[in-house]
Formats: sequence, structure tokens, C-alpha cells
Amino acid sequence: EPEVTQTPSHQVTQMGQEVILRCVPISNHLYFYWYRQILGQKVEFLVSFYNNEISEKSEIFDDQFSVERPDGSNFTLKIRSTKLEDSAMYFCASSVPGSGSYSNQPQHFGDGTRLSIL
Amino acid sequence: KNEVEQSPQNLTAQEGEFITINCSYSVGISALHWLQQHPGGGIVSLFMLSSGKKKHGRLIATINIQEKHSSLHITASHPRDSAVYICAVKMSSRLTFGEGTQLTVNP
Repeated sequence: EPEVTQTPSHQVTQMGQEVILRCVPISNHLYFYWYRQILGQKVEFLVSFYNNEISEKSEIFDDQFSVERPDGSNFTLKIRSTKLEDSAMYFCASSVPGSGSYSNQPQHFGDGTRLSIL
Repeated sequence: KNEVEQSPQNLTAQEGEFITINCSYSVGISALHWLQQHPGGGIVSLFMLSSGKKKHGRLIATINIQEKHSSLHITASHPRDSAVYICAVKMSSRLTFGEGTQLTVNP
């Protein structure tokens, strides 16, 4: 069965450094998402992306964050200047086309990237 | 108050028992997901439903839109069902997650 793949599985970065988390969504999916889960807390929505632009973003997704689909297969999350509180598990998800700008189809999740900021 | 409330937070069962996990939400939604998260952290989508009931193997999910309530049932539970079960509601493009229910099934 097709999978969403995320790399790396674990990223350790010094505070203040830039980090790029990478995701390869399922190939025929057109809607892409990033979520994060701080240790011991619930999963939180960061951003959704469709048709090469952000559809929706949360209050967490400030100017330090950006997303990009640099080619036909990758979807990336960049954190420009990492802070200690960015330490979390970051999940990428994708879903098949729905009708309109939102997909009402199930979201398929990757295994996550654990980001540790020192 | 959280938009998505799950109960119980923790549940311990003996192998073979029937399990019910509940989810209540306070907002208008287009769909509700039940997800499973294993100790390694990966998330697997179990069901997405917007009305009625769905069944997959030993798992059954129901939703009552009027009452803003959903349940996940596991029949004949097994130790391999031990995981965190998460309810998430869909509003526009985003999923809003509950805190999760930690299920432990003992042999």
C-alpha cells in the first residue's frame, strides 16, 4: 500500500539553526498537511497546502515556518531559526483530491520526524 | 474547554474484552477521524466517518451528528491493540485532535 514517507526520522539541531523536514506524499495525492506533537501533548495542526499555495494555517505557523513543494514529489517544512519550544514530532499527511479547495478524504500520515533542539 | 474531548484518558482491559472509547466535540464538523498511534509515534488512520457506522475487522466506529458524539469499539480485544487511540474532527482543511486514549490490553 502506498505510504507517506518522512525524512529524517530524527533530527538534532542547535537552537537558532535552520531545519528542513522532508516528506514524500502519496503520488496521486494533491492535499498536503503538516502537524506537530510536543512530547506528552496532543497533535496540533500547522498548515495545509493545495495547488502550490497554503490553504490554511494555524496560529503556531508564524513567520519562522514555511512550506514548499520544490518538485513533483517532495513537500517540505522549513523552520528558519529554531527555538527550544520547536522540539516536537512533526507529521506530514496527504489526501486525495476532493471537491473544491478542501479535501474531504481520509488523511494518510507519515511516521513523523522527531526534532530535538539543543 | 477543548473542542474535542475523549474518554477515558486511560483504559486497561483483559484480552478478549469489548472496548469502547468515546469522543465528544463542540463544533460543526465535516467528518471525524479515528486514528491509532503506536509507541514509536507513527499515526495510522482507522476510520473517517461523517454519519452512521463503519466496521473494519474487529473495529467499529459510530457517529451521532446531532449529539456531536462518536464511539470507537474494539471487539475481542488483543494485546496488539495496545496503543493510543485518537479522535480528530475535520473543520475546513484542518484536523483538530483530542488528547487520545491510552489503551493497554493485558494477556
